[in-house]
Amino acid sequence: AQRVTQPEKLLSVFKGAPVELKCNYSYSGSPELFWYVQYSRQRLQLLLRHISRESIKGFTADLNKGETSFHLKKPFAQEEDSAMYYCALSAPNTGFQKLVFGTGTRLLVSP
Amino acid sequence: GAVVSQHPSWVICKSGTSVKIECRSLDFQATTMFWYRQFPKQSLMLMATSNEGSKATYEQGVEKDKFLINHASLTLSTLTVTSAHPEDSSFYICSARDSAPSGSYEQYFGPGTRLTVT
Repeated sequence: AQRVTQPEKLLSVFKGAPVELKCNYSYSGSPELFWYVQYSRQRLQLLLRHISRESIKGFTADLNKGETSFHLKKPFAQEEDSAMYYCALSAPNTGFQKLVFGTGTRLLVSP
Repeated sequence: GAVVSQHPSWVICKSGTSVKIECRSLDFQATTMFWYRQFPKQSLMLMATSNEGSKATYEQGVEKDKFLINHASLTLSTLTVTSAHPEDSSFYICSARDSAPSGSYEQYFGPGTRLTVT
């Protein structure tokens, strides 16, 4: 079964500090991994996906197949990064259609 | 950018009544839409995949007769919670995939509908 684990419910850092939001997954094949973000009172939106290898708003995430991880990183957190972050996976056996979400990590960046 | 709307944004209904929630893709066509349920401080759980012109595919444990899904057009899917009970109170979120050949197949999410059953 596909599963996404985000071990931290809350991550609190000061502005300018590095941030790493952890995500581990369980799937035996080659999944597609995503990070979604939900700012306060806004809808869920895609932040980045591993196949695009982009840096969005200063965030990056590298897929580590050996460790089955897809941690989200940013070297210098900003207050506007405060939000709920969800790691998600889609698998080839669903045609990469279905998303399986982790439980989410709330990032709080203090001034 | 691609926008998905939901209506209503919140609804309160009495136990035993039925409630219909609409999900629309505003500027793109979506042959596939998804319905999720989110409990407070928990993750999104996929309920069903809505396919235009065919029956929805429900996830294990989701009662298809309880949660009726209709995807009659390329821009509209509806979720009807039949004979609602207080335990159906939740936040329901839909998403839609851009199915155009030039589309990214990214899922775009609606703002959600808060259902409270009294």
